[in-house]
Amino acid sequence: KQEVTQIPAALSVPEGENLVLNCSFTDSAIYNLQWFRQDPGKGLTSLLLIQSSQREQTSGRLNASLDKSSGRSTLYIAASQPGDSATYLCAVESYNNNDMRFGAGTRLTVKP
Amino acid sequence: NAGVTQTPKFQVLKTGQSMTLQCAQDMNHNSMYWYRQDPGMGLRLIYYSASEGTTDKGEVPNGYNVSRLNKREFSLRLESAAPSQTSVYFCASSEARRGSQPQHFGDGTRLSIL
Repeated sequence: KQEVTQIPAALSVPEGENLVLNCSFTDSAIYNLQWFRQDPGKGLTSLLLIQSSQREQTSGRLNASLDKSSGRSTLYIAASQPGDSATYLCAVESYNNNDMRFGAGTRLTVKP
Repeated sequence: NAGVTQTPKFQVLKTGQSMTLQCAQDMNHNSMYWYRQDPGMGLRLIYYSASEGTTDKGEVPNGYNVSRLNKREFSLRLESAAPSQTSVYFCASSEARRGSQPQHFGDGTRLSIL
């Protein structure tokens, strides 16, 4: 059974800092890993999807990496802004599960 | 561009009542999903429909039923609501399961069972 863990549960940083969010998973037989953003009272917005054969994906100030062998992914946010404040979730689709498994998320606060 | 639309946005039920949550997508996606989100637990899949005419159980299907009415619409029914079903429910869609394209989510239905 795939287990997805995100540490820390909450993170507070001053504006302008570069930061890294971590995601770990227990079963490396995956199709893909996705990073989502969730604003309070809203649904999830997909940020980046990394397929099993890929090592990283980039979109603007965001870069996500994937290391299947160690069961880890990181989301790097450059030059953070107050508008980046949200909860970030990672999710994994695996060969051995019918469903996409989510981590509990990291709640990010960027202070002006 | 509406994306994924869920109705209602909020609902309060009494234990034992029934209701149906509605979901529609306008992206011509083949696959649709129902999740629940509880504090500190992330999202868990209730049911999914890989394509029109098919439905399958996810991680937490007990107490729920689903109907894939057509390619656009996927409904979730609670036959006899229980307090343990108090949660935020999200519908999502994607071109295909386990593919190269992400899932798109609605804004959720906040459901309280008294």
